[in-house]
Amino acid sequence: GQQVMQIPQYQHVQEGEDFTTYCNSSTTLSNIQWYKQRPGGHPVFLIQLVKSGEVKKQKRLTFQFGEAKKNSSLHITATQTTDVGTYFCAVDNYGQNFVFGPGTRLSVLP
Amino acid sequence: DSGVTQTPKHLITATGQRVTLRCSPRSGDLSVYWYQQSLDQGLQFLIQYYNGEERAKGNILERFSAQQFPDLHSELNLSSLELGDSALYFCASSVEGGTVSYEQYFGPGTRLTVT
Repeated sequence: GQQVMQIPQYQHVQEGEDFTTYCNSSTTLSNIQWYKQRPGGHPVFLIQLVKSGEVKKQKRLTFQFGEAKKNSSLHITATQTTDVGTYFCAVDNYGQNFVFGPGTRLSVLP
Repeated sequence: DSGVTQTPKHLITATGQRVTLRCSPRSGDLSVYWYQQSLDQGLQFLIQYYNGEERAKGNILERFSAQQFPDLHSELNLSSLELGDSALYFCASSVEGGTVSYEQYFGPGTRLTVT
């Protein structure tokens, strides 16, 4: 079945440092979504990527979809304490099932 | 506030019992998803309904069942509960739910504790 991996599992950074999480799929994807879950909260949609090689930016966040549509990355520039949480990628296997990656937990030290 | 409501917020019950979790999607959303999140774990997709019909199935146990009603609210039924079923159960909704993905809006979750 669909395998989705995320690395790293945990990341501790000093406030102001950059952060990147990677999502890798075993199969070619139709699209990929990213979600953020704050501690004690629920997942919140960040973005969806559809096209091969697509790059989207949201303020300090940059999302990229791989050329082969099997991997994606989320990069945060100059992290802030408000960036703390777990970042999940989520893939939809052409409507067959929905799979969330295991997530990358980000801690930001002030 | 995502617009998705879930009740109850917390539920404590004993092994062997049966519980029902309820979800009301955002106004206008036709698709409902159920997820299980164990302590410090990722989100496990259980099942998806679209406009009353089952659309996709994930790792849902046979002891679990769900349905979506004509008014589009959904219920997740968990029976013969075991200690390992203790988890946070999220409901999410989206506008559609076919071969094209749409962003999902998550509810606040129901925390189930089985003792």
